[in-house]
Amino acid sequence: DAGVIQSPRHEVTEMGQEVTLRCKPISGHNSLFWYRQTMMRGLELLIYFNNNVPIDDSGMPEDRFSAKMPNASFSTLKIQPSEPRDSAVYFCASSPRGSGNTIYFGEGSWLTVV
Amino acid sequence: AQTVTQSQPEMSVQEAETVTLSCTYDTSESDYYLFWYKQPPSRQMILVIRQEAYKQQNATENRFSVNFQKAAKSFSLKISDSQLGDAAMYFCAFSVYNAGNMLTFGGGTRLMVKP
Repeated sequence: DAGVIQSPRHEVTEMGQEVTLRCKPISGHNSLFWYRQTMMRGLELLIYFNNNVPIDDSGMPEDRFSAKMPNASFSTLKIQPSEPRDSAVYFCASSPRGSGNTIYFGEGSWLTVV
Repeated sequence: AQTVTQSQPEMSVQEAETVTLSCTYDTSESDYYLFWYKQPPSRQMILVIRQEAYKQQNATENRFSVNFQKAAKSFSLKISDSQLGDAAMYFCAFSVYNAGNMLTFGGGTRLMVKP
């Protein structure tokens, strides 16, 4: 079975540009998470969806960040405008109901803003 | 709020030897899950082992086992017969039962395996 699929795997963009990261969760999973990993702050939860509805977005750093989940098989994380401090690895993860809180990660999107 | 602390930024072990990675956590919850994830250089986050807090028996997965001390809020990972492929960052994580599967991660321990 396919795991969580993220794209792009790597992106280099200039400050001020819009960045869109994409995620396809594992089929049948009803929860989706966006995490960010940096050297300074480690792994941080940005936002959590359940049944396509945002439940907790308290980790979204500021208004430049937005996330959507228009259907059960697709989510986006958008940064507009991007800044160098947004450089990080962004992970999408999904989880099925009754998984005992186990979540499954994608391979991550490595973003560099120059 | 929950916090997870990994006090060892870096550890090293000789191939075929045993190593233990430490993790402590702080919570007022009584029902929760604890996890160890491995992150090799590829950056993929791989689940190593999971422990339910209500279970007294320590979880085991092949060469990986945990020492779960609920009263002490301690959750260490033991890797037996270490292999070169075990070299990675290891993250301890906490999740409250029935509260949305959100994980809180520790800062990680980098494990080096010497041939």
